Amino acid sequence: DAGVTQSPTHLIKTRGQQVTLRCSPKSGHDTVSWYQQALGQGPQFIFQYYEEEERQRGNFPDRFSGHQFPNYSSELNVNALLLGDSALYLCASSSTRTAHNEQFFGPGTRLTVL
Amino acid sequence: QQQVKQSPQSLIVQKGGISIINCAYENTAFDYFPWYQQFPGKGPALLIAIRPDVSEKKEGRFTISFNKSAKQFSLHIMDSQPGDSATYFCAASKTGTASKLTFGTGTRLQVTL
Repeated sequence: DAGVTQSPTHLIKTRGQQVTLRCSPKSGHDTVSWYQQALGQGPQFIFQYYEEEERQRGNFPDRFSGHQFPNYSSELNVNALLLGDSALYLCASSSTRTAHNEQFFGPGTRLTVL
Repeated sequence: QQQVKQSPQSLIVQKGGISIINCAYENTAFDYFPWYQQFPGKGPALLIAIRPDVSEKKEGRFTISFNKSAKQFSLHIMDSQPGDSATYFCAASKTGTASKLTFGTGTRLQVTL
């Protein structure tokens, strides 16, 4: 049973560019959440997708957008990249069919903005 | 506003010792408190979690103690091993549709020989 997978592993972009990160949830999971983890910090919630809709959003600007597909996979898009967007982007999946909404994380995508 | 405060920032423990990491939360609506372990270059891995209806939960060498009135919870790692050297994050959330995790700032644990 594959866990949460993310692609790409690493990405280098320049300021002003746009980036798309991808996530496949754990088998049987229907909810995907995205987090940003700056170096030496705890993950910060960006948004959560369920039934192809954004269900909850953290304190991130509209430059951050996402999508969930019918197969539950998800994309995170960031427009007009800033140096401060450099971070590890984590995807977590969970299932609404379990009582505790336990979230399982993927390995992350390391984004560097130059 | 930081809703989950974690201490210490770093911790050095000898092999076989007990590692203790503490967290405090502010939002009384939180009802799910997981701990995650993260190795360099990897995503966080769920270690153990607790709900406020119990005061303690143990899984192997890992124990969570929970004090609802004080709004505090802690992770105890018994018989700490060098392989436990990692960064540990506490987190909190409300279950249901608003299930985003709010993380602490992390504790870097080093277990020495």
